[in-house]
Amino acid sequence: DADVTQTPRNRITKTGKRIMLECSQTKGHDRMYWYRQDPGLGLRLIYYSFDVKDINKGEISDGYSVSRQAQAKFSLSLESAIPNQTALYFCATTDNEQFFGPGTRLTVL
Amino acid sequence: KNQVEQSPQSLIILEGKNCTLQCNYTVSPFSNLRWYKQDTGRGPVSLTIMTFSENTKSNGRYTATLDADTKQSSLHITASQLSDSASYICVETYGGSQGNLIFGKGTKLSVKP
Repeated sequence: DADVTQTPRNRITKTGKRIMLECSQTKGHDRMYWYRQDPGLGLRLIYYSFDVKDINKGEISDGYSVSRQAQAKFSLSLESAIPNQTALYFCATTDNEQFFGPGTRLTVL
Repeated sequence: KNQVEQSPQSLIILEGKNCTLQCNYTVSPFSNLRWYKQDTGRGPVSLTIMTFSENTKSNGRYTATLDADTKQSSLHITASQLSDSASYICVETYGGSQGNLIFGKGTKLSVKP
């Protein structure tokens, strides 16, 4: 089984809809991250969490929110999706090395 | 502003050949430097992690070097294989927080038969 899983893997939605992307990990790590990747750009940090009670904004948090439901679960929400949020989204965990999930390809029409 | 610049942007080589990818960074204070391999549509996978005191680190056919004085790193791939076709991303970690990772835009490598 994969160490970091993301659901859904692909999602197409419409402008204004609420979307939740989920991430689970079996590594037992405290630190979890959400990134987005756009063509021609490096991964950019949206939010990160160092433990269940800790939530921190990253470089591009506007338009997103997160919830750390448990050590193993970290979800990302788009309250009202817009087309420029179309991107590939990655969840990651770390102790010293970062382990990435397989990604969620989100398209907002 | 902390930045990580990678070159070339893309590279095509023949199977069996060697290649070297470059990374220049301005990140300060420096914590460690990482190289990741990202297959199309997949999450990045770690190849090497180097601290300030390390000059070179190998992982199979992948060898990363670091020159902290010139703030340059390179990833050398030996005897390339078709499966090496991917994007290779250089990542700097700075400061004391694991939240402070700066990602390069990557080098897209294509290995042709």
